[in-house]
Amino acid sequence: DTAVSQTPKYLVTQMGNDKSIKCEQNLGHDTMYWYKQDSKKFLKIMFSYNNKELIINETVPNRFSPKSPDKAHLNLHINSLELGDSAVYFCASSQALARGYTFGSGTRLTVV
Amino acid sequence: SQQGEEDPQALSIQEGENATMNCSYKTSINNLQWYRQNSGRGLVHLILIRSNEREKHSGRLRVTLDTSKKSSSLLITASRAADTASYFCATGNQAGTALIFGKGTTLSVSS
Repeated sequence: DTAVSQTPKYLVTQMGNDKSIKCEQNLGHDTMYWYKQDSKKFLKIMFSYNNKELIINETVPNRFSPKSPDKAHLNLHINSLELGDSAVYFCASSQALARGYTFGSGTRLTVV
Repeated sequence: SQQGEEDPQALSIQEGENATMNCSYKTSINNLQWYRQNSGRGLVHLILIRSNEREKHSGRLRVTLDTSKKSSSLLITASRAADTASYFCATGNQAGTALIFGKGTTLSVSS
């Protein structure tokens, strides 16, 4: 029983395409996040949702749009993919910041 | 700007040796957390230390926190090959709505 599951694990696509990454958590956590990890392993917060409400929307291109149909799901849609979008995208959830995060295993996106 | 910065960036040791990683941060914190990331995997929460604590232990892990120096250290004793991973410190952002991660220390333990 995976606590935070992301699909797909790998995604290879051409520039200009539109793609989605899905995330689901079965921990009953109220808050979910998307992070981007670059080739130097630097993790940057992108979005955060608390019980389906957008809490954090960092300086991310408008081509990235999160969607949270319910508090157990947080999907990430990316339009007009660019080479610079290549990275590993992590979904995470938490019940409270002081309890830490549970991360998914990541989606490695490669734009060619 | 980055809240946490780990030092060193990379560390190579032999099995059985101790590994020490340091983290410095810039603003006041409620707690500081350490995570491990194995190659190709997500981050795993290791240990949390509160701002009013100076030291905390969990198995072979020992974390210290010095709020006057805005720094923390993670000590892994009697390292094993399975400890090979990247280690990140994390603190809350100013709004308290998300964790900000440092750049990580990559630890290699050879047998």
